[in-house]
Amino acid sequence: GDSVTQMEGPVTLSEEAFLTINCTYTATGYPSLFWYVQYPGEGLQLLLKATKADDKGSNKGFEATYRKETTSFHLEKGSVQVSDSAVYFCALSESGGTSYGKLTFGQGTILTVHP
Amino acid sequence: NAGVTQTPKFQVLKTGQSMTLQCAQDMNHNSMYWYRQDPGMGLRLIYYSASEGTTDKGEVPNGYNVSRLNKREFSLRLESAAPSQTSVYFCASLLDRGTDTQYFGPGTRLTVL
Repeated sequence: GDSVTQMEGPVTLSEEAFLTINCTYTATGYPSLFWYVQYPGEGLQLLLKATKADDKGSNKGFEATYRKETTSFHLEKGSVQVSDSAVYFCALSESGGTSYGKLTFGQGTILTVHP
Repeated sequence: NAGVTQTPKFQVLKTGQSMTLQCAQDMNHNSMYWYRQDPGMGLRLIYYSASEGTTDKGEVPNGYNVSRLNKREFSLRLESAAPSQTSVYFCASLLDRGTDTQYFGPGTRLTVL
């Protein structure tokens, strides 16, 4: 079945540091890939997505590129802020068939940014 | 436009008690989902409803039942709660498969003693 593996956390950075959170996936078809973010005490919000190979999703300074050859979708940001402290989830959704948009999530990575 | 709403926000149950978690969306979405979130395990799908009148099991359905009451509402029922069901429960909705993006509610934190 489908699966998503994220880098082990938690991740602690100083403000303005570079961020990378690794994500790799296993899927039988051609999935869409997502990064969701969960701020303390809140539900999940879509951060960015990519629907086909070589697509780059971007939002709020975060970027991730859909790499089919390495089955990866790593999240990057050039300069993190304290307000980026949250839990980040990588996820995939199989397109078409009987998937009905079901999401498969990675285990989540806790990011803490210090001033 | 409230998006996806869930009630209650917090609940404490004793082992063997029953309860229903409520979820509603006002975005006219066709599909709705229930997930549970446990530390170190991400979110796992419990049940989903692809469209009004249909429900199907997800990855971890044991101990739960669902009802798609109408297009707006999708409830999750625990008939006999167990400590292993202590978790945070999230409801989500999706317009249709072509749009891909699910919208999540704020969650219900459930503790079973």
